Amino acid sequence: SQTIHQWPATLVQPVGSPLSLECTVEGTSNPNLYWYRQAAGRGLQLLFYSVGIGQISSEVPQNLSASRPQDRQFILSSKKLLLSDSGFYLCAWSGSIYEQYFGPGTRLTVT
Amino acid sequence: QKEVEQNSGPLSVPEGAIASLNCTYSDRGSQSFFWYRQYSGKSPELIMSIYSNGDKEDGRFTAQLNKASQYVSLLIRDSQPSDSATYLCAVPGTGRRALTFGSGTRLQVQP
Repeated sequence: SQTIHQWPATLVQPVGSPLSLECTVEGTSNPNLYWYRQAAGRGLQLLFYSVGIGQISSEVPQNLSASRPQDRQFILSSKKLLLSDSGFYLCAWSGSIYEQYFGPGTRLTVT
Repeated sequence: QKEVEQNSGPLSVPEGAIASLNCTYSDRGSQSFFWYRQYSGKSPELIMSIYSNGDKEDGRFTAQLNKASQYVSLLIRDSQPSDSATYLCAVPGTGRRALTFGSGTRLQVQP
């Protein structure tokens, strides 16, 4: 069966510091991978998605970036965090159909 | 018009009642529809997928799809306090291989 991991689970970072969130998927090959952000009490905002290694589509222009260095690894980064970057970051994967499965998420607080 | 619209709620139902959650979408070409459940502080969990007009039943859950009217609904029979969560409707986004999520309906089941 497929499993999706995210770490860290929680993170508190000061404004202006860098960010690196990692997501890995087990039990499947060539998944589509996604990064979402959910602000407190809000809906899911798609940030990036990837259909293959090195292929990244950006949905929202901002100070975040994503990379996919390996087939089942997806990384979300920032060089300098803003207060508005606080939120619940969710990684998800899908196979050949649209059903998406989410990881446990990373709760980021920027102070 | 938003791609996916849901009433934010909260929808409050007594234990044992039927909870009815509704979702409308704008893209007439959408072919697949998904319901996710998200408990407070947790990541979304896929609970139902539906691809054709009519009803699809899975245990206490029934998804209903009406493509002509562009709505999809989720019925929860014999509602339990453990069903209290936010329910997200999702459809494939226009022009991209990712889901677009509604903002979710918060369901409260009163014991």
